[in-house]
Amino acid sequence: GAVVSQHPSWVICKSGTSVKIECRSLDFQATTMFWYRQFPKQSLMLMATSNEGSKATYEQGVEKDKFLINHASLTLSTLTVTSAHPEDSSFYICSADSMPTEAFFGQGTRLTVV
Amino acid sequence: DAKTTQPTSMDCAEGRAANLPCNHSTISGNEYVYWYRQIHSQGPQYIIHGLKNNETNEMASLIITEDRKSSTLILPHATLRDTAVYYCIVRALNSGGSNYKLTFGKGTLLTVNP
Repeated sequence: GAVVSQHPSWVICKSGTSVKIECRSLDFQATTMFWYRQFPKQSLMLMATSNEGSKATYEQGVEKDKFLINHASLTLSTLTVTSAHPEDSSFYICSADSMPTEAFFGQGTRLTVV
Repeated sequence: DAKTTQPTSMDCAEGRAANLPCNHSTISGNEYVYWYRQIHSQGPQYIIHGLKNNETNEMASLIITEDRKSSTLILPHATLRDTAVYYCIVRALNSGGSNYKLTFGKGTLLTVNP
Protein backbone atom coordinates (compact mmCIF):
# COMPACT_ATOMS: atom_id res chain seq x y z
CA GLY A 1 0.00 0.00 0.00
CA ALA A 2 0.91 3.65 -0.21
CA VAL A 3 3.26 5.08 2.39
CA VAL A 4 2.73 8.15 4.52
CA SER A 5 5.62 9.23 6.68
CA GLN A 6 5.51 11.50 9.70
CA HIS A 7 8.44 13.21 11.30
CA PRO A 8 9.37 13.27 14.08
CA SER A 9 8.01 10.12 15.69
CA TRP A 10 8.24 11.73 19.08
CA VAL A 11 9.23 15.12 20.44
CA ILE A 12 9.60 16.70 23.84
CA CYS A 13 9.44 20.47 24.03
CA LYS A 14 9.31 23.15 26.66
CA SER A 15 6.10 24.97 27.43
CA GLY A 16 5.75 28.09 25.30
CA THR A 17 7.79 26.86 22.38
CA SER A 18 6.52 25.78 18.95
CA VAL A 19 6.80 22.38 17.36
CA LYS A 20 6.50 21.47 13.69
CA ILE A 21 5.34 18.04 12.53
CA GLU A 22 5.77 16.93 8.93
CA CYS A 23 3.56 14.57 6.98
CA ARG A 24 4.79 13.26 3.66
CA SER A 25 3.20 11.02 1.07
CA LEU A 26 6.17 9.08 -0.24
CA ASP A 27 4.89 7.41 -3.37
CA PHE A 28 1.79 9.29 -4.35
CA GLN A 29 0.47 12.81 -4.58
CA ALA A 30 -2.15 13.90 -2.09
CA THR A 31 -4.25 16.97 -2.70
CA THR A 32 -5.93 16.42 0.65
CA MET A 33 -4.38 15.48 3.95
CA PHE A 34 -6.03 15.23 7.35
CA TRP A 35 -4.65 15.91 10.82
CA TYR A 36 -5.88 14.06 13.88
CA ARG A 37 -5.18 14.17 17.59
CA GLN A 38 -5.54 11.23 19.93
CA PHE A 39 -5.47 11.38 23.72
CA PRO A 40 -4.78 8.25 25.78
CA LYS A 41 -7.52 5.64 25.65
CA GLN A 42 -9.55 7.76 23.25
CA SER A 43 -10.30 7.60 19.56
CA LEU A 44 -8.82 9.79 16.85
CA MET A 45 -10.30 13.27 16.68
CA LEU A 46 -10.11 15.11 13.38
CA MET A 47 -8.50 18.51 13.79
CA ALA A 48 -8.36 19.85 10.27
CA THR A 49 -8.40 19.10 6.57
CA SER A 50 -5.34 20.28 4.72
CA ASN A 51 -5.76 21.18 1.05
CA GLU A 52 -2.80 21.75 -1.22
CA GLY A 53 -2.53 25.35 -2.28
CA SER A 54 -5.35 26.64 -0.10
CA LYS A 55 -6.19 27.30 3.52
CA ALA A 56 -6.89 24.41 5.81
CA THR A 57 -10.37 23.76 7.08
CA TYR A 58 -10.51 23.38 10.84
CA GLU A 59 -13.00 21.39 12.88
CA GLN A 60 -15.15 23.15 15.41
CA GLY A 61 -13.26 23.92 18.58
CA VAL A 62 -9.80 23.69 17.03
CA GLU A 63 -7.87 26.95 17.19
CA LYS A 64 -6.46 27.74 13.78
CA ASP A 65 -3.97 30.24 15.18
CA LYS A 66 -2.59 27.65 17.55
CA PHE A 67 -2.42 24.75 15.14
CA LEU A 68 -0.93 26.14 11.95
CA ILE A 69 -1.26 23.93 8.90
CA ASN A 70 0.62 24.38 5.67
CA HIS A 71 0.14 22.19 2.61
CA ALA A 72 2.62 23.69 0.19
CA SER A 73 3.07 20.73 -2.10
CA LEU A 74 1.26 17.60 -3.19
CA THR A 75 3.48 15.46 -0.98
CA LEU A 76 3.96 17.53 2.16
CA SER A 77 1.75 18.98 4.85
CA THR A 78 3.00 20.43 8.11
CA LEU A 79 1.32 21.02 11.44
CA THR A 80 2.88 23.55 13.78
CA VAL A 81 1.75 23.62 17.39
CA THR A 82 2.45 27.16 18.51
CA SER A 83 3.11 28.19 22.10
CA ALA A 84 2.69 24.63 23.23
CA HIS A 85 1.38 23.88 26.70
CA PRO A 86 1.20 20.62 28.64
CA GLU A 87 -2.45 20.15 27.66
CA ASP A 88 -1.29 19.96 24.02
CA SER A 89 0.60 16.78 24.81
CA SER A 90 -0.96 14.14 22.63
CA PHE A 91 -0.50 11.73 19.74
CA TYR A 92 -0.80 13.58 16.43
CA ILE A 93 -1.54 11.60 13.29
CA CYS A 94 -1.87 12.60 9.66
CA SER A 95 -3.51 10.83 6.76
CA ALA A 96 -3.39 11.34 3.02
CA ASP A 97 -5.77 10.19 0.34
CA SER A 98 -4.39 7.92 -2.34
CA MET A 99 -7.05 8.40 -4.92
CA PRO A 100 -9.51 7.22 -5.67
CA THR A 101 -10.56 5.42 -2.54
CA GLU A 102 -8.00 4.81 0.15
CA ALA A 103 -6.65 6.96 2.95
CA PHE A 104 -3.31 6.04 4.44
CA PHE A 105 -2.03 7.13 7.81
CA GLY A 106 1.33 8.17 9.11
CA GLN A 107 2.87 6.41 12.08
CA GLY A 108 2.00 9.29 14.38
CA THR A 109 3.97 11.80 16.43
CA ARG A 110 4.01 11.66 20.20
CA LEU A 111 4.26 15.23 21.54
CA THR A 112 5.12 15.82 25.17
CA VAL A 113 5.17 19.38 26.46
CA VAL A 114 7.03 19.88 29.72
CA ASP B 1 -20.14 12.30 15.29
CA ALA B 2 -19.38 8.81 14.09
CA LYS B 3 -22.22 7.20 12.14
CA THR B 4 -21.33 3.69 13.22
CA THR B 5 -21.75 1.61 16.35
CA GLN B 6 -19.48 -1.25 17.31
CA PRO B 7 -19.07 -3.45 20.35
CA THR B 8 -16.52 -2.09 22.78
CA SER B 9 -14.48 -5.26 22.92
CA MET B 10 -14.28 -8.81 21.64
CA ASP B 11 -12.09 -11.83 22.27
CA CYS B 12 -10.99 -14.44 19.78
CA ALA B 13 -8.87 -17.55 20.01
CA GLU B 14 -5.72 -17.67 17.93
CA GLY B 15 -6.28 -19.48 14.65
CA ARG B 16 -10.03 -18.94 14.73
CA ALA B 17 -12.00 -16.53 12.61
CA ALA B 18 -12.71 -13.15 14.15
CA ASN B 19 -16.04 -11.62 13.15
CA LEU B 20 -16.38 -7.95 13.99
CA PRO B 21 -19.83 -6.41 13.55
CA CYS B 22 -20.69 -2.83 12.74
CA ASN B 23 -24.02 -1.04 12.54
CA HIS B 24 -24.41 1.89 10.17
CA SER B 25 -28.15 2.21 9.85
CA THR B 26 -28.06 5.82 8.60
CA ILE B 27 -25.57 5.20 5.81
CA SER B 28 -26.19 7.22 2.67
CA GLY B 29 -26.22 5.83 -0.82
CA ASN B 30 -22.89 7.39 -1.73
CA GLU B 31 -21.06 6.30 1.41
CA TYR B 32 -18.61 3.46 1.53
CA VAL B 33 -17.86 1.29 4.54
CA TYR B 34 -14.21 1.40 5.57
CA TRP B 35 -12.35 -0.65 8.12
CA TYR B 36 -9.11 0.41 9.78
CA ARG B 37 -7.25 -0.98 12.75
CA GLN B 38 -4.87 0.63 15.19
CA ILE B 39 -2.23 -1.19 17.11
CA HIS B 40 -1.16 0.58 20.26
CA SER B 41 0.80 3.79 19.65
CA GLN B 42 0.75 3.44 15.88
CA GLY B 43 -1.19 5.12 13.11
CA PRO B 44 -4.30 3.37 11.80
CA GLN B 45 -3.81 0.72 9.16
CA TYR B 46 -6.19 0.38 6.22
CA ILE B 47 -7.85 -3.03 6.02
CA ILE B 48 -10.64 -3.03 3.47
CA HIS B 49 -13.58 -1.06 2.16
CA GLY B 50 -16.74 -1.67 0.18
CA LEU B 51 -19.91 -0.08 -1.13
CA LYS B 52 -22.50 -2.83 -1.35
CA ASN B 53 -20.82 -5.98 -2.59
CA ASN B 54 -18.83 -8.26 -0.35
CA GLU B 55 -15.11 -7.71 -0.61
CA THR B 56 -12.05 -9.83 0.11
CA ASN B 57 -8.36 -9.07 0.14
CA GLU B 58 -5.26 -10.61 1.64
CA MET B 59 -6.09 -9.28 5.08
CA ALA B 60 -9.80 -9.75 5.53
CA SER B 61 -13.29 -10.14 4.12
CA LEU B 62 -16.05 -7.58 4.35
CA ILE B 63 -19.66 -8.69 4.36
CA ILE B 64 -22.23 -5.94 3.84
CA THR B 65 -25.92 -6.67 4.34
CA GLU B 66 -28.25 -6.14 1.43
CA ASP B 67 -29.85 -3.09 3.05
CA ARG B 68 -26.33 -1.78 3.82
CA LYS B 69 -27.29 -1.00 7.39
CA SER B 70 -24.66 -3.27 8.88
CA SER B 71 -21.47 -5.06 7.99
CA THR B 72 -19.06 -7.63 9.36
CA LEU B 73 -15.31 -7.69 9.08
CA ILE B 74 -13.90 -11.20 9.04
CA LEU B 75 -10.32 -12.06 9.87
CA PRO B 76 -10.25 -15.70 8.73
CA HIS B 77 -7.40 -16.95 10.91
CA ALA B 78 -6.67 -14.53 13.70
CA THR B 79 -3.13 -14.28 15.07
CA LEU B 80 -1.79 -12.60 18.17
CA ARG B 81 -0.60 -9.72 15.98
CA ASP B 82 -4.20 -8.99 15.04
CA THR B 83 -4.85 -7.69 18.55
CA ALA B 84 -5.82 -4.06 17.93
CA VAL B 85 -8.67 -1.56 17.96
CA TYR B 86 -10.77 -1.99 14.83
CA TYR B 87 -12.65 0.98 13.44
CA CYS B 88 -15.63 0.84 11.12
CA ILE B 89 -16.19 4.11 9.28
CA VAL B 90 -18.61 5.29 6.61
CA ARG B 91 -17.33 7.78 4.14
CA ALA B 92 -18.39 9.38 0.88
CA LEU B 93 -15.76 9.81 -1.79
CA ASN B 94 -16.86 13.13 -3.23
CA SER B 95 -14.52 15.64 -1.68
CA GLY B 96 -16.04 18.79 -0.27
CA GLY B 97 -18.95 17.16 1.49
CA SER B 98 -18.93 16.80 5.25
CA ASN B 99 -19.14 13.04 4.91
CA TYR B 100 -15.90 12.92 2.96
CA LYS B 101 -13.94 13.01 6.18
CA LEU B 102 -12.93 9.89 8.04
CA THR B 103 -14.69 10.24 11.39
CA PHE B 104 -13.58 7.70 13.96
CA GLY B 105 -15.85 6.24 16.60
CA LYS B 106 -14.62 4.30 19.60
CA GLY B 107 -14.00 1.10 17.67
CA THR B 108 -13.77 -2.48 18.92
CA LEU B 109 -10.80 -3.71 20.89
CA LEU B 110 -10.13 -7.19 19.55
CA THR B 111 -7.97 -9.33 21.77
CA VAL B 112 -6.63 -12.50 20.23
CA ASN B 113 -5.78 -15.04 22.90
CA PRO B 114 -3.26 -17.89 22.60
